[in-house]
Amino acid sequence: AQSVTQLDSHVSVSEGTPVLLRCNYSSSYSPSLFWYVQHPNKGLQLLLKYTSAATLVKGINGFEAEFKKSETSFHLTKPSAHMSDAAEYFCVVSDLLGSARQLTFGSGTQLTVLP
Amino acid sequence: KAGVTQTPRYLIKTRGQQVTLSCSPISGHRSVSWYQQTPGQGLQFLFEYFSETQRNKGNFPGRFSGRQFSNSRSEMNVSTLELGDSALYLCASSPEVGATEAFFGQGTRLTVV
Repeated sequence: AQSVTQLDSHVSVSEGTPVLLRCNYSSSYSPSLFWYVQHPNKGLQLLLKYTSAATLVKGINGFEAEFKKSETSFHLTKPSAHMSDAAEYFCVVSDLLGSARQLTFGSGTQLTVLP
Repeated sequence: KAGVTQTPRYLIKTRGQQVTLSCSPISGHRSVSWYQQTPGQGLQFLFEYFSETQRNKGNFPGRFSGRQFSNSRSEMNVSTLELGDSALYLCASSPEVGATEAFFGQGTRLTVV
């Protein structure tokens, strides 16, 4: 069975400083991994995805994540936080169950950006 | 290209009633999945439809059901509403079942009073 653990429920950074949102996963097979962002009262927007190609994945808005199989981690980083980055972030693992795909979501990390 | 469209955006229903939510996927996408998001339980998978057939189901009671039409539009229905059904219901579309990427709508906020 697959699972996702987001290690921090809340992260607070100052504008212009680096962002690190941590994610560990458990999967029976070679998973696909994603980071989604959700702004208040909005749906989820895909930031980036890993699908067994390059282990360092670049996404939108300056975010990137590194897949580390030995550590079963997929941490999300950004060199310099912007006020507009304040939102909730979800780490997601996708496994195929037969012919069906099932997404398993982490519990989310609320990112606060301080001026 | 239009994104995933969910209607209505907001709903208020009374306990015991039933409700139907609608999702129109991205044009050309044939797989539609539904998720429930609550503060306590987070995002939980409800079911996935492809070619008008349910392909996968999460761990929800039978009061939660869905269907998909030939144009890939999907509806989910919740009968005998309970207070705990209050949630944001999100729909996601993908080109095919088993596709690695899902595109989400803005959700329907259901409040049960």
